[in-house]
Amino acid sequence: EVQLLESGGGLVQPGGSLRLSCAASGFTYSSYAMSWVRQAPGKGLEWVSGISGTAGRTYYADSVKGRFTISRDNSKNTLYLQMNSLRAEDTAVYFCAKGYCSGGSCPFSSRLDPWGQGTLVIVSS
Amino acid sequence: QSVLTQPPSASGTPGQRVTISCSGGRSNIGSNTVTWYQQLPGTAPKFLIYSNSQRPSGVPDRFSGSKSGTSASLAISGLQSEDEADYYCAAWDDSLNGPVFGGGTKLTVL
Repeated sequence: EVQLLESGGGLVQPGGSLRLSCAASGFTYSSYAMSWVRQAPGKGLEWVSGISGTAGRTYYADSVKGRFTISRDNSKNTLYLQMNSLRAEDTAVYFCAKGYCSGGSCPFSSRLDPWGQGTLVIVSS
Repeated sequence: QSVLTQPPSASGTPGQRVTISCSGGRSNIGSNTVTWYQQLPGTAPKFLIYSNSQRPSGVPDRFSGSKSGTSASLAISGLQSEDEADYYCAAWDDSLNGPVFGGGTKLTVL
């Protein structure tokens, strides 16, 4: 069974930093692109960042570019999101999500399955 | 403001058929396939429809999707109380180099 378990959320002051982790199991982790998606309280979904299986390609939403860094450790089956210069508007539940592979290709896409249960980040003084 | 546009709410009675629309542009829905997610209260989103109209295993055939041009829609037939949830459409955006989501539609089963 594929499982994704996020951790690292919490309360942080504006301007502070936090590192989120997502431990993956139940699949060949290094083959799949992975993404972070967030959901502010009472709001919709917003894709934050994605990384290819080999970590050779990374993508960021404009809202976090230059402040957040996505990375992965394929030896530990773990995905990370380093968040710096945090703002109140970064307050959200952060989900990690697995991409898909088909016919030997593992592209970036909107097809994310499954998602972890999420970790809450609150940016407030 | 979400890149993809969905109605904020929809409703129906048990057994009815409801549809949820999703409107985008040439760089997203117009060029790429659409994915739909279901989010039950307090839970993570669940993968519902991919490649515009394909259902993953385990998703009832009451759920169906379609796409035409720069718009897509999700239809739910034989509405059940457990279908009450938020529904999101998504598509890869070639200009933004990432997936974009609709603002979500809250489905109420009356």
